[in-house]
Amino acid sequence: DQQVKQNSPSLSVQEGRISILNCDYTNSMFDYFLWYKKYPAEGPTFLISISSIKDKNEDGRFTVFLNKSAKHLSLHIVPSQPGDSAVYFCAGNAGGTSYGKLTFGQGTILTVHP
Amino acid sequence: SQTIHQWPATLVQPVGSPLSLECTVEGTSNPNLYWYRQAAGRGLQLLFYSVGIGQISSEVPQNLSASRPQDRQFILSSKKLLLSDSGFYLCAWSLKQAYGYTFGSGTRLTVV
Repeated sequence: DQQVKQNSPSLSVQEGRISILNCDYTNSMFDYFLWYKKYPAEGPTFLISISSIKDKNEDGRFTVFLNKSAKHLSLHIVPSQPGDSAVYFCAGNAGGTSYGKLTFGQGTILTVHP
Repeated sequence: SQTIHQWPATLVQPVGSPLSLECTVEGTSNPNLYWYRQAAGRGLQLLFYSVGIGQISSEVPQNLSASRPQDRQFILSSKKLLLSDSGFYLCAWSLKQAYGYTFGSGTRLTVV
C-alpha cells in the first residue's frame, strides 16, 4: 500500500522558470508533510515542511501548498536554478505513536537546464 | 550541534557474504534512529527504526537485521547477502516527537 505517491518520475524545466512537483497521499492520519532534496550518492536533506493545519508555507524560492480535501501537496520552486537539479521526495508523518516515522514517495528527478 | 556518521560510503560484497553497516549520532541523547534503503529507481523504504537501546522495529520482512547496542549507535547486518540487497542504505535520526529527521550520507552497497 503506497501511502505517498509522486506520479511524475521526472521533470525538466528551463532556468528561471517555475518548477512544480506534485505529491498525493492516501493516509488521512498524516498531519505533517516534508520535502527532501537528494543529490546522487548523498543523503537527503530537509527542504521545507507544512503542517496539516496550514495550506501554504513559503521559504525563499520554495513554497509548499497543501490541499487536504484532495490529499495533494505540491512544491513550487521559483525561479528554478541549475543547482536545484536533484531528486525531490515528499513525505508524510502521522504523528502520534508514529512520531518521526516518515513515509516517503518514490521521488521526482528535477532537471533545470541553463 | 548534532552530526550523524555513516560508513562505509561504498561497499561491494559477494553473494552469501555477511554485512555490517554502522551509524553513529553525536550531539544528542536518546534519539530515534532509522535505516532506509533506496533501491535502483525506487523511493525511500523504511527498513528498521529504534526508539531506544535494544528496541528495534522492523517495517518489512527481509534478509536484514538491525541492532542498537548503544544509545547513539545503529547497526544494519546480514548473515548472507542476496543480489536483491543491493541499494543505497541511509541511516537517519530524529528527536523524540519530532516530525522530520536528518539523514547520513549513505552507503552504496553492491552485491555481486
